[in-house]
Amino acid sequence: QAQLVESGGGVVQAGGSLRLSCAGSKFNFNKFGIHWVRQAPGKGLEWVAVISYDGVHEFYEESVRGRFTISRDMSKNTVSLQMTSLNYDDAGVYYCAKDYIQTTVTTTGLDVWGQGTTVTVS
Amino acid sequence: SYELTQPPSVSVSPGQTARITCFGNALPKQYAFWYRQKPGQAPLLLIYKNSHRPSGIPERFSGSTSGTTVTLTINPVQAEDEADYFCQSADSSSLYVVFGGGTKLTVL
Repeated sequence: QAQLVESGGGVVQAGGSLRLSCAGSKFNFNKFGIHWVRQAPGKGLEWVAVISYDGVHEFYEESVRGRFTISRDMSKNTVSLQMTSLNYDDAGVYYCAKDYIQTTVTTTGLDVWGQGTTVTVS
Repeated sequence: SYELTQPPSVSVSPGQTARITCFGNALPKQYAFWYRQKPGQAPLLLIYKNSHRPSGIPERFSGSTSGTTVTLTINPVQAEDEADYFCQSADSSSLYVVFGGGTKLTVL
C-alpha cells in the first residue's frame, strides 16, 4: 500500500527557516504530483503547495508564495518544502499527500496522506 | 479566491442518516473528494470523484452531486463516525486545491 512519511518538523523562531521532507514508497512516486497541506491547531485543512509529477510545475497558496519553495528529488523519491520567513500563522501540522491522478499537471484530489510533521513557531 | 462552504456542525443519533453538504461554484465541473479526520490522525479518503468509495471504506458512506452542491451521506451512522469531515475540490483552472472549512459530526 502506498506510503508517505514526513520529517523535518520542529521549533523555529519567528522569521526563521525550516525544511520539511516527504518520502514516498510502495508506489511509482515519480508519476504523481505531491502536495503539502497544513492544519493549524484546532483549525481546518489548508492546502499549501503542489509540485507536478515531473518536477517542472509548482503552485502555491497565496500566503506562502515567495516564502516557501517545493522541490522533488526524482532519484530519492522525496519532496521537500523549504520554508522561510516563518510567522505564527505558519504553525501547525504539515501533511504531504499524493495526487489521485498520475502524470498530469492538473489536480483533482488527494488519495494517500502521510501522518504529518509538526511545525512550532516561537 | 475560490471557496467551498460546509456547515460547521451536524448532529445525528446512532442508526440515523447524516448528510453533510459542500457548496462551491465550480463543483458542476470539478470533482469533489471527501475526507474523515479523527483527533490526532491524518485525514482519510472516504469518497473520490464525487461518488466513488476506495477499497476498505464501508458501503454506508456515499457521495452524490447536484449542481453546485455535493453531499456526503452516512447511513446508518455509528458512534465511531464521530469526527471532522472535509470536502475538497479544485478551482476552475484545476491547478489549485481547495478545502471546505470542515464539518464536525456529533453522534448523540
